[in-house]
Amino acid sequence: TQLLEQSPQFLSIQEGENLTVYCNSSSVFSSLQWYRQEPGEGPVLLVTVVTGGEVKKLKRLTFQFGDARKDSSLHITAAQPGDTGLYLCAGDQSNFGNEKLTFGTGTRLTIIP
Amino acid sequence: NAGVTQTPKFRILKIGQSMTLQCTQDMNHNYMYWYRQDPGMGLKLIYYSVGAGITDKGEVPNGYNVSRSTTEDFPLRLELAAPSQTSVYFCASSAGTSVVNEQFFGPGTRLTVL
Repeated sequence: TQLLEQSPQFLSIQEGENLTVYCNSSSVFSSLQWYRQEPGEGPVLLVTVVTGGEVKKLKRLTFQFGDARKDSSLHITAAQPGDTGLYLCAGDQSNFGNEKLTFGTGTRLTIIP
Repeated sequence: NAGVTQTPKFRILKIGQSMTLQCTQDMNHNYMYWYRQDPGMGLKLIYYSVGAGITDKGEVPNGYNVSRSTTEDFPLRLELAAPSQTSVYFCASSAGTSVVNEQFFGPGTRLTVL
């Protein structure tokens, strides 16, 4: 059983369109991180959300942590080819900090020029 | 700083062979991790360490061993390679000094067992 489910698993859209990726769980997390991974490389952290209901913006990317801290979403406005990659959410269930993370199943995003 | 480095980048093993995947970080991080990533999937935690001399199992530890004799190094050992261990292996580290810790990843080792 996967603790963190991401949807959709694959998404291919035209440049300039908007999209939303979801990360859902039945468990509560003390924090949740979003990573982006490009082919042949390791994941790189985009953002961390900690407070239920928190919204963080990173240029055209908007991240939201659910009020109950069980889910999160990533919204991209006016997608560009440089946004292509594998997006991974990762949750921390510990109370004392990031000793272990549980990674989601991933969303592979392709932006078509 | 080089960050997290992994060697080798690619390796092909025969069933039953052994090998060690090397991981080194130069950020003086306390926490280090080994993950495997199967095609099109997320990351699964194999083993992790919260400091030199301390290691613990993750989600999928069977068939692997680790050691942490120094802060910098966290090698992963495969004793009897099996086709099910074909995967991309990532090492990561984090400072472990605050509530929210970013994990820094190496470039990965692509392992094929035939």
